[in-house]
Amino acid sequence: DAGVIQSPRHEVTEMGQEVTLRCKPISGHDYLFWYRQTMMRGLELLIYFNNNVPIDDSGMPEDRFSAKMPNASFSTLKIQPSEPRDSAVYFCASSLRKLSYNSPLHFGNGTRLTVT
Amino acid sequence: GNSVTQMEGPVTLSEEAFLTINCTYTATGYPSLFWYVQYPGEGLQLLLKATKADDKGSNKGFEATYRKETTSFHLEKGSVQVSDSAVYFCALSERGSTLGRLYFGRGTQLTVWP
Repeated sequence: DAGVIQSPRHEVTEMGQEVTLRCKPISGHDYLFWYRQTMMRGLELLIYFNNNVPIDDSGMPEDRFSAKMPNASFSTLKIQPSEPRDSAVYFCASSLRKLSYNSPLHFGNGTRLTVT
Repeated sequence: GNSVTQMEGPVTLSEEAFLTINCTYTATGYPSLFWYVQYPGEGLQLLLKATKADDKGSNKGFEATYRKETTSFHLEKGSVQVSDSAVYFCALSERGSTLGRLYFGRGTQLTVWP
């Protein structure tokens, strides 16, 4: 079990540039989640997918943010254009089934994004 | 709605001290409860869980008991180690819901000194 794999681990970019974060969930997991973590706001759910279909994107902060899941083994979170306030650690997580006692979340190690 | 409230950190303890991190919740249904731990530079990982009232979750010396009457799920450990230094998150998921999401608390930073 390779776990949830995120890339890159660190991303530094200038304001106005496009940023793409990538995630490979655990094979066979039906749910995929994108979270953002900051000191000010803690852990925020941005969007989640079930069987590659977006279910709830109410946490996506603005139209500058978009997420896709073209297949069961790959998802992207894109920010265009990026702003300094987007600086955060972005986590991808997956679960085997709908979250429950027996189906917990498995997190990747995150992408630390810095927008200057 | 659903929400989780944790005690604010940071919490600083000496090795072998007793640890309590308070967690209370509100839920529209009958939730399952979890504690996740985040070590420096890593993602969150499940520490323990409980699914019904009076259940006790335990792992690595940590324990938490699901208290429905006080809507609480406090995390405890009798003797902390330096390696326990991390951020701890309380969370709930709604059982039977068609939605599939976890509601997290803000996290509590724990630092253990030798």
